[in-house]
Amino acid sequence: GEDVEQSLFLSVREGDSSVINCTYTDSSSTYLYWYKQEPGAGLQLLTYIFSNMDMKQDQRLTVLLNKKDKHLSLRIADTQTGDSAIYFCAESSNYGGSQGNLIFGKGTKLSVKP
Amino acid sequence: EADIYQTPRYLVIGTGKKITLECSQTMGHDKMYWYQQDPGMELHLIHYSYGVNSTEKGDLSSESTVSRIRTEHFPLTLESARPSHTSQYLCASSLYVGGLDEKLFFGSGTQLSVL
Repeated sequence: GEDVEQSLFLSVREGDSSVINCTYTDSSSTYLYWYKQEPGAGLQLLTYIFSNMDMKQDQRLTVLLNKKDKHLSLRIADTQTGDSAIYFCAESSNYGGSQGNLIFGKGTKLSVKP
Repeated sequence: EADIYQTPRYLVIGTGKKITLECSQTMGHDKMYWYQQDPGMELHLIHYSYGVNSTEKGDLSSESTVSRIRTEHFPLTLESARPSHTSQYLCASSLYVGGLDEKLFFGSGTQLSVL
């Protein structure tokens, strides 16, 4: 079945870069997403990448996609304490009745130390 | 700015009570979802709907039920709450575009505690 894997925790110092990694199984996913969840809140779409792209940059965020290895990463430059949150990787399901539903990873909790 | 609202924000109830978690969105989105989130962060899809009068079960079996009588409203009901139902419940909606690009907008969640 479809699966999305992420490491559960990442700790960095303020000002450093953070890299959150994700692997997925469905090579037919058209879009891949990164969502952010701050404490006590719902998820918020952070960025996404179309599957025919290798890289997408949006201010401090860089998304890298390696389709051959089914590997997605999110790099946050100059990480701030306000970036402390849980980051979820997600892909679209293309299987049967759940087509179009997102498959989420378990989330990576990013802690930023001052 | 996403406009999707969940009430109540927190709910503490006793075992056996019937509860309804409310979710409303003002974006005119056709597709709506309910997710259950573990304390360990993992999200589980329990229900979704493609539009009015459409309801589907998600990947995780749930004793809850949902209804979609109006586009903007997708309430979740538990007929008899149990401690095992204690969890964070997140509602979401998306502008359904045939499964190609499902950007989800989430509400702030309802933290349910059943004693």
